[in-house]
Amino acid sequence: QVQLQESGPGLVKPSETLSLTCTVSGGSISNYYWSWIRQPPGKGLEWIGYIYNSGTTNYNPSLKSRVTLSVDTSNNQISLRLSSVTAADTAVYFCARGFCSSSSCSRFQFDYWGQGAQVTVSS
Amino acid sequence: QSALTQPPSASGSPGQSVTISCTGTSNDVGGYNYVSWYQQHPGKAPKLMIYEVNKRPSGVPDRFSGSKSGNTASLTVSGLQAEDEADYYCSSYAGSNNLVFGGGTKLTVL
Repeated sequence: QVQLQESGPGLVKPSETLSLTCTVSGGSISNYYWSWIRQPPGKGLEWIGYIYNSGTTNYNPSLKSRVTLSVDTSNNQISLRLSSVTAADTAVYFCARGFCSSSSCSRFQFDYWGQGAQVTVSS
Repeated sequence: QSALTQPPSASGSPGQSVTISCTGTSNDVGGYNYVSWYQQHPGKAPKLMIYEVNKRPSGVPDRFSGSKSGNTASLTVSGLQAEDEADYYCSSYAGSNNLVFGGGTKLTVL
């Protein structure tokens, strides 16, 4: 059974960089798209970006200037860095795997999710 | 890009059917057959219920169905059960390698 586990600091100061890691167990990260998605308190979901195991990335245009995703295939990990954070970046951050049907693999439909990491931006 | 529009709430009694709408534009919902629906219980991660408008992943009960007409997608839950009470989110591919979510609908089983 594939499992995803987010980890990283739960408190980040304004203007600093948020860094999270998603560790995948029970399966390989190869041949799948991996996304980060966040959910501010009491609000809806926002897609942040995806990365493929080759290192190909794509980001939400609204966050593109501040986001960097990276992949470590040897450790089965995907990482997120979000720079210049403000209180508006306070959210639960999820990593998720792109769903593969019998015919194709999706970049934008997600079957496995981590339990989420709460990140608060505050001084 | 704007979020897709969902009603904030929906409700139904056990055994009844309820439909949740998700309205976008021709640039997202209306333009692509990549609409998904997720169920999220409080404090939990979302669960994929419908993909590509009307397909169910393995393990999702056939009480859940999806459809699309023009710029509006819909999720129908038939034979409502207590465990269906949750938040539901739609998402759609929005072109240019971008994804947009709806604001979410809280489904209450009366």
